[in-house]
Amino acid sequence: AQSVTQLGSHVSVSEGALVLLRCNYSSSVPPYLFWYVQYPNQGLQLLLKYTSAATLVKGINGFEAEFKKSETSFHLTKPSAHMSDAAEYFCAVTSRGGYQKVTFGTGTKLQVIP
Amino acid sequence: GAVVSQHPSRVICKSGTSVKIECRSLDFQATTMFWYRQFPKQSLMLMATSNEGSKATYEQGVEKDKFLINHASLTLSTLTVTSAHPEDSSFYICSAPGRGTEAFFGQGTRLTVV
Repeated sequence: AQSVTQLGSHVSVSEGALVLLRCNYSSSVPPYLFWYVQYPNQGLQLLLKYTSAATLVKGINGFEAEFKKSETSFHLTKPSAHMSDAAEYFCAVTSRGGYQKVTFGTGTKLQVIP
Repeated sequence: GAVVSQHPSRVICKSGTSVKIECRSLDFQATTMFWYRQFPKQSLMLMATSNEGSKATYEQGVEKDKFLINHASLTLSTLTVTSAHPEDSSFYICSAPGRGTEAFFGQGTRLTVV
């Protein structure tokens, strides 16, 4: 069984401030981990993914995430928030060989304050 | 990158009617597709796995007679919500596995049953 927990359903940051969205996972086997972004009334876009290569993963739009096995975490960060980053972010996990059957966290809505 | 197209993006229907949602892989073949549902302020939950040429596999608690899935070709899966009721109002989204670890998501369908 696998699951992800996202702490904080809403996060507000000022424009230019650090963005930190938290995700902890639980998996009985080494996981693949993902962050997706969902803009209003749109589908999901992959931001980045961890698949057992480098533990620090860089994604699109300046986001990055670090896989920490000891903490079972995969937090998403961005040094400087832009207004266009306002969206909902989902952490997700899938098991190797799981044919991309994805288990999502509950999502974190990011608000960027000008 | 691979593209999954989902149609319609929004639909409003009367209670008791049926609604069909299409999910197409535009530039690749998908023998497997996944259907998810997202209730307001909740995460995306896997409903079923659609298999080309065979019966879909439903997650526990999902009524197979209510949510009919057909995967008639390598590029098209359809989800039909039969005899829709207001409690079926939700955001439905499909995905298809790409090469390797990534899943590609459609744009989603916002269903409102009145």
